[in-house]
Amino acid sequence: KNEVEQSPQNLTAQEGEFITINCSYSVGISALHWLQQHPGGGIVSLFMLSSGKKKHGRLIATINIQEKHSSLHITASHPRDSAVYICAVRSTFSGSARQLTFGSGTQLTVLP
Amino acid sequence: DTGVSQNPRHKITKRGQNVTFRCDPISEHNRLYWYRQTLGQGPEFLTYFQNEAQLEKSRLLSDRFSAERPKGSFSTLEIQRTEQGDSAMYLCASSPRDRGYNEQFFGPGTRLTVL
Repeated sequence: KNEVEQSPQNLTAQEGEFITINCSYSVGISALHWLQQHPGGGIVSLFMLSSGKKKHGRLIATINIQEKHSSLHITASHPRDSAVYICAVRSTFSGSARQLTFGSGTQLTVLP
Repeated sequence: DTGVSQNPRHKITKRGQNVTFRCDPISEHNRLYWYRQTLGQGPEFLTYFQNEAQLEKSRLLSDRFSAERPKGSFSTLEIQRTEQGDSAMYLCASSPRDRGYNEQFFGPGTRLTVL
């Protein structure tokens, strides 16, 4: 079982829909990241969370440390939101506290 | 500051050839990470540097792979005797000391295709 699991793997939505992407992890963490990757490879950091909730524009990220679960929500989705969304955790496990462990990503396609 | 840069952006090579990639981190970022990403998967950790010291290497980093950061600024990743399984996107990220190195800033990646 991977340390970081994302669902769904693929998601197609109509413009304007509310979108939720889920991330579950199995290790203790010091931080969780939500990243966005567009075709061509470049990765942009959207959020870094260690507790609670963060909001930036139409994006909202939440984390429940007890349940080891995080969600990324996109309100009023737009075709330009189409990208791969990746959840990554920074584990507190000894020997692995310095790099990120990534989920396999969720491919989001928003249709006009 | 223009962010993390990587060169080349694309590299096509024949099996058995050596290739070298370069990463220029954001200036004054102490930590530099290399990741590999295959199609449809999330990135996987390869190695990281704090200044010029290579502090951790993944078991994914076989003896054909070597990384350096000689002056604590830019880094190179060399793959010797490339194999078709090395085809992937190679991502570099850098991280500043403030806030405990929790934030990483990614470069655009180098896409390697081994024929």
